[in-house]
Amino acid sequence: GESVGLHLPTLSVQEGDNSIINCAYSNSASDYFIWYKQESGKGPQFIIDIRSNMDKRQGQRVTVLLNKTVKHLSLQIAATQPGDSAVYFCAVLRGGGNKLTFGTGTQLKVEL
Amino acid sequence: DVKVTQSSRYLVKRTGEKVFLECVQDMDHENMFWYRQDPGLGLRLIYFSYDVKMKEKGDIPEGYSVSREKKERFSLILESASTNQTSMYLCASSPEGWRQPQHFGDGTRLSIL
Repeated sequence: GESVGLHLPTLSVQEGDNSIINCAYSNSASDYFIWYKQESGKGPQFIIDIRSNMDKRQGQRVTVLLNKTVKHLSLQIAATQPGDSAVYFCAVLRGGGNKLTFGTGTQLKVEL
Repeated sequence: DVKVTQSSRYLVKRTGEKVFLECVQDMDHENMFWYRQDPGLGLRLIYFSYDVKMKEKGDIPEGYSVSREKKERFSLILESASTNQTSMYLCASSPEGWRQPQHFGDGTRLSIL
């Protein structure tokens, strides 16, 4: 089955710097990927998604990069703000249905 | 915006009780999901439903059942609660179709004593 791993459990950045959160997946047939943000006491919030026919997708202050060759995706947050402090998860769609496999999350801490 | 509402934020029950967790979504989504979230384990899928009265087992269905009598409502049932079911429970919904993001509620933190 699919497995999803995040590279760092915790990431600390200075306010204003760019943040990069990484995720690796195991199934080369995976074709849809999502990043979620979870603030303390809340449910995961959809940030951005990307399909396997794309290498890059941009949103507001966020960019997702997908490298299918090494089965890796990353979330880049530009000009990180205190409100970006949260746990970030990647999720990968399993083949043939609507089930997602989630990584365990990276805690992003923004230092003032 | 998609709104997924879970009826309780915190719930405390006793071992052996039958427990109902309720979830309602207001976006007319076909798909609904129940997960549990535990430290170090990420989100694990318990059950999901792709239509009224339809359900499918997820990865960890043992000890749980679900009910979907109306499109907007998806209930998770712990038939006889046990202490190892103490967890954060998250409900999600998504529209019909391939490759659609799931939208989550804020969770119910359930403690079984």
